[in-house]
Amino acid sequence: KNEVEQSPQNLTAQEGEFITINCSYSVGISALHWLQQHPGGGIVSLFMLSSGKKKHGRLIATINIQEKHSSLHITASHPRDSAVYICAVRQGAQKLVFGQGTRLTINP
Amino acid sequence: DAGVTQSPTHLIKTRGQQVTLRCSPKSGHDTVSWYQQALGQGPQFIFQYYEEEERQRGNFPDRFSGHQFPNYSSELNVNALLLGDSALYLCASSLGGLFSNQPQHFGDGTRLSIL
Repeated sequence: KNEVEQSPQNLTAQEGEFITINCSYSVGISALHWLQQHPGGGIVSLFMLSSGKKKHGRLIATINIQEKHSSLHITASHPRDSAVYICAVRQGAQKLVFGQGTRLTINP
Repeated sequence: DAGVTQSPTHLIKTRGQQVTLRCSPKSGHDTVSWYQQALGQGPQFIFQYYEEEERQRGNFPDRFSGHQFPNYSSELNVNALLLGDSALYLCASSLGGLFSNQPQHFGDGTRLSIL
Protein backbone atom coordinates (compact mmCIF):
# COMPACT_ATOMS: atom_id res chain seq x y z
CA LYS A 1 0.00 0.00 0.00
CA ASN A 2 1.34 3.43 -0.95
CA GLU A 3 1.97 5.91 1.84
CA VAL A 4 -0.05 8.51 -0.09
CA GLU A 5 -3.22 7.51 -1.90
CA GLN A 6 -5.26 9.75 -4.16
CA SER A 7 -8.75 9.32 -5.54
CA PRO A 8 -9.99 9.29 -8.13
CA GLN A 9 -7.12 8.44 -10.47
CA ASN A 10 -8.99 9.96 -13.41
CA LEU A 11 -11.81 12.48 -13.40
CA THR A 12 -13.70 13.93 -16.34
CA ALA A 13 -16.26 16.69 -15.79
CA GLN A 14 -18.11 19.42 -17.63
CA GLU A 15 -17.13 23.06 -17.46
CA GLY A 16 -18.64 24.72 -14.40
CA GLU A 17 -18.82 21.62 -12.23
CA PHE A 18 -17.50 21.52 -8.67
CA ILE A 19 -14.47 19.22 -8.46
CA THR A 20 -13.14 17.33 -5.45
CA ILE A 21 -9.89 15.36 -5.36
CA ASN A 22 -9.04 13.37 -2.25
CA CYS A 23 -5.74 12.44 -0.63
CA SER A 24 -5.17 10.03 2.26
CA TYR A 25 -1.83 9.33 3.87
CA SER A 26 -0.59 6.82 6.37
CA VAL A 27 2.53 8.46 7.77
CA GLY A 28 3.28 11.33 10.10
CA ILE A 29 3.77 14.54 8.21
CA SER A 30 4.93 18.09 8.79
CA ALA A 31 3.04 19.53 5.82
CA LEU A 32 0.98 18.53 2.80
CA HIS A 33 1.34 19.97 -0.69
CA TRP A 34 -1.08 20.12 -3.57
CA LEU A 35 0.72 20.39 -6.90
CA GLN A 36 -0.45 20.87 -10.47
CA GLN A 37 1.41 19.24 -13.36
CA HIS A 38 0.69 20.16 -16.96
CA PRO A 39 1.41 17.87 -19.94
CA GLY A 40 4.86 19.38 -20.50
CA GLY A 41 5.91 18.10 -17.09
CA GLY A 42 6.45 21.31 -15.14
CA ILE A 43 5.03 21.30 -11.62
CA VAL A 44 3.43 24.27 -9.93
CA SER A 45 2.86 24.34 -6.21
CA LEU A 46 -0.76 25.24 -5.44
CA PHE A 47 -0.89 24.94 -1.67
CA MET A 48 1.20 23.94 1.28
CA LEU A 49 -0.81 23.37 4.42
CA SER A 50 -0.43 21.75 7.81
CA SER A 51 -3.87 22.45 9.26
CA GLY A 52 -7.28 23.83 8.42
CA LYS A 53 -8.11 25.30 5.06
CA LYS A 54 -6.56 27.54 2.40
CA LYS A 55 -8.21 29.30 -0.53
CA HIS A 56 -6.72 30.81 -3.65
CA GLY A 57 -9.12 31.99 -6.30
CA ARG A 58 -11.32 29.07 -7.31
CA LEU A 59 -9.13 26.55 -5.49
CA ILE A 60 -9.70 25.42 -1.92
CA ALA A 61 -7.57 22.94 0.03
CA THR A 62 -8.49 21.39 3.36
CA ILE A 63 -6.68 19.03 5.67
CA ASN A 64 -7.80 16.93 8.62
CA ILE A 65 -4.68 15.92 10.55
CA GLN A 66 -6.52 13.49 12.85
CA GLU A 67 -8.05 11.61 9.93
CA LYS A 68 -4.90 11.94 7.76
CA HIS A 69 -6.94 13.22 4.87
CA SER A 70 -6.89 16.24 2.58
CA SER A 71 -9.13 17.45 -0.23
CA LEU A 72 -8.59 19.81 -3.12
CA HIS A 73 -11.71 21.52 -4.45
CA ILE A 74 -12.11 23.48 -7.66
CA THR A 75 -15.20 25.66 -8.01
CA ALA A 76 -16.64 26.69 -11.38
CA SER A 77 -14.20 24.41 -13.21
CA HIS A 78 -12.79 25.49 -16.56
CA PRO A 79 -11.02 23.59 -19.37
CA ARG A 80 -7.76 25.33 -18.44
CA ASP A 81 -7.94 23.49 -15.09
CA SER A 82 -7.25 20.25 -16.98
CA ALA A 83 -4.00 18.85 -15.58
CA VAL A 84 -2.66 16.21 -13.23
CA TYR A 85 -3.11 17.14 -9.58
CA ILE A 86 -0.64 15.60 -7.16
CA CYS A 87 -0.78 15.36 -3.41
CA ALA A 88 2.59 15.20 -1.65
CA VAL A 89 3.37 14.94 2.04
CA ARG A 90 6.49 16.23 3.69
CA GLN A 91 8.20 14.01 6.19
CA GLY A 92 10.87 15.66 8.27
CA ALA A 93 13.63 17.37 6.36
CA GLN A 94 12.01 18.52 3.13
CA LYS A 95 11.60 15.01 1.72
CA LEU A 96 8.36 14.76 -0.23
CA VAL A 97 6.39 11.57 -0.74
CA PHE A 98 4.00 11.84 -3.65
CA GLY A 99 0.67 10.32 -4.52
CA GLN A 100 0.21 8.87 -7.98
CA GLY A 101 -1.74 11.88 -9.18
CA THR A 102 -5.29 12.54 -10.38
CA ARG A 103 -5.74 13.28 -14.06
CA LEU A 104 -8.48 15.91 -14.40
CA THR A 105 -10.14 16.69 -17.72
CA ILE A 106 -12.67 19.50 -17.95
CA ASN A 107 -14.74 19.47 -21.14
CA PRO A 108 -16.21 22.70 -22.51
CA ASP B 1 13.68 36.52 -10.97
CA ALA B 2 14.29 33.16 -12.61
CA GLY B 3 12.71 30.13 -11.08
CA VAL B 4 14.23 26.67 -11.05
CA THR B 5 15.88 25.89 -14.38
CA GLN B 6 16.89 22.47 -15.61
CA SER B 7 18.97 21.39 -18.58
CA PRO B 8 18.70 19.79 -20.97
CA THR B 9 14.94 19.59 -21.49
CA HIS B 10 15.15 16.33 -23.42
CA LEU B 11 17.86 13.72 -23.73
CA ILE B 12 18.19 10.39 -25.52
CA LYS B 13 20.78 7.85 -24.41
CA THR B 14 21.45 4.16 -24.92
CA ARG B 15 21.79 1.42 -22.35
CA GLY B 16 25.09 1.42 -20.50
CA GLN B 17 25.84 5.08 -21.11
CA GLN B 18 26.21 7.75 -18.46
CA VAL B 19 24.22 10.97 -18.18
CA THR B 20 24.49 14.26 -16.28
CA LEU B 21 21.46 16.45 -15.63
CA ARG B 22 21.76 19.99 -14.32
CA CYS B 23 19.65 22.20 -12.08
CA SER B 24 19.90 25.84 -11.12
CA PRO B 25 17.79 26.61 -8.08
CA LYS B 26 15.53 29.60 -7.68
CA SER B 27 17.53 32.68 -6.73
CA GLY B 28 18.38 32.61 -3.04
CA HIS B 29 17.48 28.96 -2.51
CA ASP B 30 20.08 26.73 -0.92
CA THR B 31 18.50 23.26 -0.86
CA VAL B 32 18.03 21.09 -3.95
CA SER B 33 16.05 17.87 -4.22
CA TRP B 34 15.88 15.51 -7.18
CA TYR B 35 12.91 13.33 -8.14
CA GLN B 36 12.28 10.67 -10.78
CA GLN B 37 8.83 10.46 -12.34
CA ALA B 38 8.06 7.43 -14.48
CA LEU B 39 5.27 7.73 -17.02
CA GLY B 40 1.87 7.75 -15.33
CA GLN B 41 3.34 7.71 -11.82
CA GLY B 42 3.94 10.26 -9.12
CA PRO B 43 7.49 11.48 -8.57
CA GLN B 44 9.86 9.44 -6.41
CA PHE B 45 12.47 11.09 -4.19
CA ILE B 46 16.05 10.40 -5.26
CA PHE B 47 18.15 12.57 -2.96
CA GLN B 48 18.59 16.02 -1.52
CA TYR B 49 21.57 18.35 -1.29
CA TYR B 50 22.26 21.05 1.23
CA GLU B 51 25.56 22.80 1.94
CA GLU B 52 27.17 20.77 -0.87
CA GLU B 53 26.44 17.46 0.83
CA GLU B 54 23.91 14.72 0.20
CA ARG B 55 21.61 14.92 3.21
CA GLN B 56 18.85 12.44 2.44
CA ARG B 57 18.50 9.64 -0.04
CA GLY B 58 15.56 7.67 -1.37
CA ASN B 59 15.53 4.06 -2.49
CA PHE B 60 17.80 4.44 -5.52
CA PRO B 61 20.97 2.47 -6.33
CA ASP B 62 24.46 3.89 -6.21
CA ARG B 63 24.33 4.38 -9.98
CA PHE B 64 22.52 7.57 -9.09
CA SER B 65 24.85 10.20 -7.68
CA GLY B 66 24.87 13.93 -7.40
CA HIS B 67 26.72 17.04 -6.54
CA GLN B 68 25.96 20.52 -5.28
CA PHE B 69 28.23 23.43 -6.10
CA PRO B 70 29.04 26.48 -3.98
CA ASN B 71 26.53 28.53 -6.00
CA TYR B 72 23.85 25.98 -4.91
CA SER B 73 23.38 24.56 -8.43
CA SER B 74 23.28 20.81 -8.62
CA GLU B 75 23.94 17.88 -10.93
CA LEU B 76 22.39 14.44 -11.07
CA ASN B 77 24.57 11.71 -12.57
CA VAL B 78 23.32 8.30 -13.61
CA ASN B 79 25.80 5.58 -14.64
CA ALA B 80 25.24 2.34 -16.55
CA LEU B 81 21.84 3.47 -17.81
CA LEU B 82 19.02 0.94 -17.91
CA LEU B 83 15.82 1.03 -19.93
CA GLY B 84 13.96 1.54 -16.66
CA ASP B 85 15.76 4.82 -16.08
CA SER B 86 13.60 6.41 -18.76
CA ALA B 87 11.62 9.05 -16.90
CA LEU B 88 11.10 12.72 -16.23
CA TYR B 89 13.71 13.97 -13.76
CA LEU B 90 12.53 16.87 -11.65
CA CYS B 91 14.59 19.24 -9.58
CA ALA B 92 13.10 21.25 -6.73
CA SER B 93 14.68 23.96 -4.65
CA SER B 94 13.81 25.55 -1.36
CA LEU B 95 15.14 28.07 1.11
CA GLY B 96 16.34 27.67 4.61
CA GLY B 97 17.84 24.24 4.90
CA LEU B 98 16.49 20.83 5.62
CA PHE B 99 13.92 21.65 8.29
CA SER B 100 12.60 24.85 6.79
CA ASN B 101 8.87 25.33 6.44
CA GLN B 102 9.35 26.96 3.05
CA PRO B 103 7.70 25.24 0.05
CA GLN B 104 9.68 23.60 -2.71
CA HIS B 105 9.73 25.18 -6.17
CA PHE B 106 9.95 22.79 -9.11
CA GLY B 107 11.66 23.02 -12.46
CA ASP B 108 10.09 21.82 -15.71
CA GLY B 109 12.15 18.65 -15.66
CA THR B 110 14.46 16.79 -18.00
CA ARG B 111 12.86 14.02 -20.00
CA LEU B 112 15.36 11.16 -20.36
CA SER B 113 14.73 8.39 -22.85
CA ILE B 114 16.88 5.25 -22.90
CA LEU B 115 17.00 3.23 -26.13
